Amino acid sequence: EPEVTQTPSHQVTQMGQEVILRCVPISNHLYFYWYRQILGQKVEFLVSFYNNEISEKSEIFDDQFSVERPDGSNFTLKIRSTKLEDSAMYFCASSETGTLHGYTFGSGTRLTVV
Amino acid sequence: SQQGEEDPQALSIQEGENATMNCSYKTSINNLQWYRQNSGRGLVHLILIRSNEREKHSGRLRVTLDTSKKSSSLLITASRAADTASYFCATPLMDSSYKLIFGSGTRLLVRP
Repeated sequence: EPEVTQTPSHQVTQMGQEVILRCVPISNHLYFYWYRQILGQKVEFLVSFYNNEISEKSEIFDDQFSVERPDGSNFTLKIRSTKLEDSAMYFCASSETGTLHGYTFGSGTRLTVV
Repeated sequence: SQQGEEDPQALSIQEGENATMNCSYKTSINNLQWYRQNSGRGLVHLILIRSNEREKHSGRLRVTLDTSKKSSSLLITASRAADTASYFCATPLMDSSYKLIFGSGTRLLVRP
């Protein structure tokens, strides 16, 4: 069964450093998403990406965040200057038809900012 | 405001029993989805029910949707220890095809 692949699985970074989280969505999917989940809390929407541009973003997705699809397969989330409160699990997801079908999620990247 | 809220927050049952989880939402939807999350892992899509459907089955899962009450329930029959996980409902907002909003989840523990 097709999978969404995320790397790395764990990342520890110093506060103020830049991190790039990587995702390989399912190849025939057109919609891509990033979500985050702070330990023990809700799964929060960050951003959606369609047709090579951001289609929607949340209040959390401020100027320190950016997304990119640098080639035909990868989808990245960059956090420019990490803060302690950015520590969370970050999940990438993709779907064929936006919200009309279920999403396929990756296993996540656990980001720890120290 | 929360779009989806699950109830109960936590549920502990014996293997073989049925587990029922409820979800309430606030705005109009075109579908409602249920996901499972094993501890520390990604979410797995379980089932999607459209707004014009009232009930849907998939294996041991049964989902109902009552759009007049803006609520849904997920029933897992004959539970197994492997069903231990968190279960989330998720709804897309009507004015957005790009955003699925997750509830706070129900933590299910199935005791062997």
